[in-house]
Formats: sequence, C-alpha cells, structure tokens
Amino acid sequence: EAGVAQSPRYKIIEKRQSVAFWCNPISGHATLYWYQQILGQGPKLLIQFQNNGVVDDSQLPKDRFSAERLKGVDSTLKIQPAKLEDSAVYLCASSPEAGAGANVLTFGAGSRLTVL
Amino acid sequence: DQQVKQNSPSLSVQEGRISILNCDYTNSMFDYFLWYKKYPAEGPTFLISISSIKDKNEDGRFTVFLNKSAKHLSLHIVPSQPGDSAVYFCAAQREYGNKLVFGAGTILRVKS
Repeated sequence: EAGVAQSPRYKIIEKRQSVAFWCNPISGHATLYWYQQILGQGPKLLIQFQNNGVVDDSQLPKDRFSAERLKGVDSTLKIQPAKLEDSAVYLCASSPEAGAGANVLTFGAGSRLTVL
Repeated sequence: DQQVKQNSPSLSVQEGRISILNCDYTNSMFDYFLWYKKYPAEGPTFLISISSIKDKNEDGRFTVFLNKSAKHLSLHIVPSQPGDSAVYFCAAQREYGNKLVFGAGTILRVKS
C-alpha cells in the first residue's frame, strides 16, 4: 500500500512570510495527525482529525497556524506569519479508525521548514 | 509537561551485543506504549508496541518490557546490528486509536 505522502519536503522562508504543507494519508485511514518536531525533541501533536472533524487542536498556535481536512482525505497545514521558532520538521501521520492496528500511526517523511 | 521521558540522549553499542533503550512516563492513564525508529530525512517507523495489561512483548530481535509500578519501559535489541543505528522514540497512548505522546528520543549507534 502507498504510504503517507507529504509535500514539499523542504521549504526555506523568511520570518513573517507564509507557508503551506500538504498531506495525503493512507487510503481508508480515517484519522490524520500533524506533528511538529523541533531539532533534538520528540514529535509534538499540533492537530488530530477524525474524518474531516477536529478531535484535538489544543497545542495548535491558532493565532498563526491553521489546518483543514476537506472531504476527510488530504489535509493542509498553514503557518502565517512564520516565526523563527517555527523552524522544524512537520510530520503528517494517519491511522485506521478502528480494528487491528488502529493504535499505530504511520508517518510520512516530513516537511522540513527553515525560517530565516 | 514531559509525560514521556527518555533520559539517555545517546547510546553506543558493539555489533552483536545487546542494546537497551529506556523510557519513563508519568501519566498512569496511558494504555499503550509504542517504539518508533527514525532514520535521517525519513519519518518515524513503527517498531513494536505493548499494552498496559502485559509486561513483555517480543518480535524477532526486539523485546519491549513494561514495569507499570515503576512507570518504566525498555526496548531490548539482541543482537544489535549496524543497520539498527537510528533515533528511537518511545511513545505512549491513553486510548486505543488516540494521539501518541513522544519522548525526546535516543540516538543508537551500533559499531561494527
């Protein structure tokens, strides 16, 4: 089966500019996650979708970050305006809604953002 | 608030020997624990998991041990191989299918 697709793989922007990341989860996976991984730290959840509804966005900086999952399939994460501390790898993951393997998240390769 | 801690930033092991990676957690509500492996420029890949109702789970060269009373788990790799060199993340989950809370990771280097 095809894995989780993410683009772009790398992005360099200046502070106060905007950026958008795209994710296409594994076909049939109802749950989609966006994680932020800062260098030297573990991934931190930004937002979790179940189909096209938000389950958890408690750690999403809503003044600058937004995410959507239209039609319950692919998703876009946007940052506007970007700050230096947003430099990180943005990981998208998906998991089945129920059944065997529902607790295992499958990750994409990530989108590395550098803010200058 | 670090609910999952991996206190060893790095570990170096000789090929063929045992690698032991440790993880501690603070939230007694966690039901499942997972280990992920990450190579540079790739996303984390699932390695092995354990439910809180068990104390051991084995899959080939990989075994995870869970000590609930100590809120501690460990990943044993025997024998270690150079291809095992990667960052290993410990993660915990409150409910089946819920979000994962990750530790900071341990860099494992297996020397040949």
